[in-house]
Amino acid sequence: NAGVMQNPRHLVRRRGQEARLRCSPMKGHSHVYWYRQLPEEGLKFMVYLQKENIIDESGMPKERFSAEFPKEGPSILRIQQVVRGDSAAYFCASSLNGPPINEKLFFGSGTQLSVL
Amino acid sequence: SQQGEEDPQALSIQEGENATMNCSYKTSINNLQWYRQNSGRGLVHLILIRSNEREKHSGRLRVTLDTSKKSSSLLITASRAADTASYFCATEVNTDKLIFGTGTRLQVFP
Repeated sequence: NAGVMQNPRHLVRRRGQEARLRCSPMKGHSHVYWYRQLPEEGLKFMVYLQKENIIDESGMPKERFSAEFPKEGPSILRIQQVVRGDSAAYFCASSLNGPPINEKLFFGSGTQLSVL
Repeated sequence: SQQGEEDPQALSIQEGENATMNCSYKTSINNLQWYRQNSGRGLVHLILIRSNEREKHSGRLRVTLDTSKKSSSLLITASRAADTASYFCATEVNTDKLIFGTGTRLQVFP
């Protein structure tokens, strides 16, 4: 029973390029969360998605960042025109029954984005 | 602003000693969760305590919750070198997302 799969594990981009981060939730999970973590800091919530719907994107920067979770395939976090400040570890998590009232999250191993 | 703040930020102990980490939060909650993160890895769920519970145990872990003080503590007894990791508390906000604290970095020396 595979866990949450994120790829790539490491991603290097030059300023101005696009970064695409992928997340396949655990089998049977239809709720996905994206978090960003800077070195020596906690996780910052970015967005919560269900299949084909964005439920809460209050943590997403208004520009350059977007997320989707299509009916088929993985969830994608897309960062356009990356800047050095986007360098961070991006974690995806999934849950079985939705909002985390008495639900735990299962995390992937993260994608480390480095912007040169 | 952060919903949860852990204290201390860093903790170093010897194997066999107990480690206590504290978490304070700001708004009312339905549950509070603790997670562990090994360096460079994703978070792993440790334990969930509901707002109507005061204490919960899981193996060498003991979690307490004081809703009147808006605080929780995580106790790891008889620590091992393998317990070296960062520990985060998390609370749900607006019922649709978990907000994580700043974390406690625990170092256990053999």
